[in-house]
Amino acid sequence: QQPVQSPQAVILREGEDAVINCSSSKALYSVHWYRQKHGEAPVFLMILLKGGEQKGHEKISASFNEKKQQSSLYLTASQLSYSGTYFCGTYVQGAQKLVFGQGTRLTINP
Amino acid sequence: NAGVTQTPKFQVLKTGQSMTLQCAQDMNHNSMYWYRQDPGMGLRLIYYSASEGTTDKGEVPNGYNVSRLNKREFSLRLESAAPSQTSVYFCASSELSGRNYEQYFGPGTRLTVT
Repeated sequence: QQPVQSPQAVILREGEDAVINCSSSKALYSVHWYRQKHGEAPVFLMILLKGGEQKGHEKISASFNEKKQQSSLYLTASQLSYSGTYFCGTYVQGAQKLVFGQGTRLTINP
Repeated sequence: NAGVTQTPKFQVLKTGQSMTLQCAQDMNHNSMYWYRQDPGMGLRLIYYSASEGTTDKGEVPNGYNVSRLNKREFSLRLESAAPSQTSVYFCASSELSGRNYEQYFGPGTRLTVT
């Protein structure tokens, strides 16, 4: 079942902070985050695993709340290069594959 | 080290025509995937191959077939294209399948079916 991302879109000025949320109706084993710039392929940002382990981007932080079945991606002091669409992907209990959310479009203006 | 490559980059088909999308990776990854991306729908898994010699259906397999030709190559075939298959198709690979392995995506194929 597809995870739900919020907000669907956000517009910021350079230097402002953003939080993107990803929620699932099922128990999560892991959450992946990817960023896609317009006309390009998605690029891996980070993975959060059940139990607290993380791997990925050093300059981006995220949280994983197992009880609430949700993850949040934190983009602080945003830069123009952060613009793009952010996707979360989730592995749920019993599934063998990653299911992506519908995406959150982030626009950073100077 | 090219990563994941896809051919062609663009394709226009007429309804009923067939074609094969090619994907290759040079990272010695075991697992490969085909996704389609439609506006507002995110990335939806069509088929995947956890390892050479195996393939499994994803969320939206109808109208598609796949072949894992060898460890490097994974192709997607549309036997009789329909306008509903107009989309951007991405191939991806990962070291192994599973919850703690990141996926690397190719540049995509933009397919239009008229």
